[in-house]
Amino acid sequence: KAGVTQTPRYLIKTRGQQVTLSCSPISGHRSVSWYQQTPGQGLQFLFEYFSETQRNKGNFPGRFSGRQFSNSRSEMNVSTLELGDSALYLCASSLEGRGRTEAFFGQGTRLTVV
Amino acid sequence: DAKTTQPNSMESNEEEPVHLPCNHSTISGTDYIHWYRQLPSQGPEYVIHGLTSNVNNRMASLAIAEDRKSSTLILHRATLRDAAVYYCILRDPTITNRDDKIIFGKGTRLHILP
Repeated sequence: KAGVTQTPRYLIKTRGQQVTLSCSPISGHRSVSWYQQTPGQGLQFLFEYFSETQRNKGNFPGRFSGRQFSNSRSEMNVSTLELGDSALYLCASSLEGRGRTEAFFGQGTRLTVV
Repeated sequence: DAKTTQPNSMESNEEEPVHLPCNHSTISGTDYIHWYRQLPSQGPEYVIHGLTSNVNNRMASLAIAEDRKSSTLILHRATLRDAAVYYCILRDPTITNRDDKIIFGKGTRLHILP
């Protein structure tokens, strides 16, 4: 069974640009969550999608957005990039989310903003 | 603020048991206790989760206090591969609004001594 796939693995962008990251969940999983990980702040929750609907959102500015498609694949977008957006972005999939079942994480996308 | 409290770091000798504590004094009756670990340069990996009773799987055991205000992750025989950051988090599957903020905290960095 294939795991969670995140693309691309590494990305370098310039301040002010926008970026789109992709996450393909495990087959059959309908919940996808996104996290930002930095050395200073640790793992921070961005948002969760379930059946194409955003079910939950962390405390991030509106520049961070996401969506989920009918096949459960998800994308997150960050507009007007800032240096502080440099981080490892992780996505996790689970059967239904909300903690009843375990979540499986991808390897992450390492975003560097210069 | 994190809803769980863990020691910043712990050390253990290889091939000995390891007990990783987690305090969650404000846990609600419907919160599941989840443990994840993150090896260097990888995404977090699910370890175990439980609600009230102690749980065992091939990776570890989870001992939950009777009042559920604390729990302990037990690695029965630590190996060098178990060196990682271990996160204890709470998830409430009954929360149906957008107030379910998933908070990872800083976790416990486990060092295994050969």
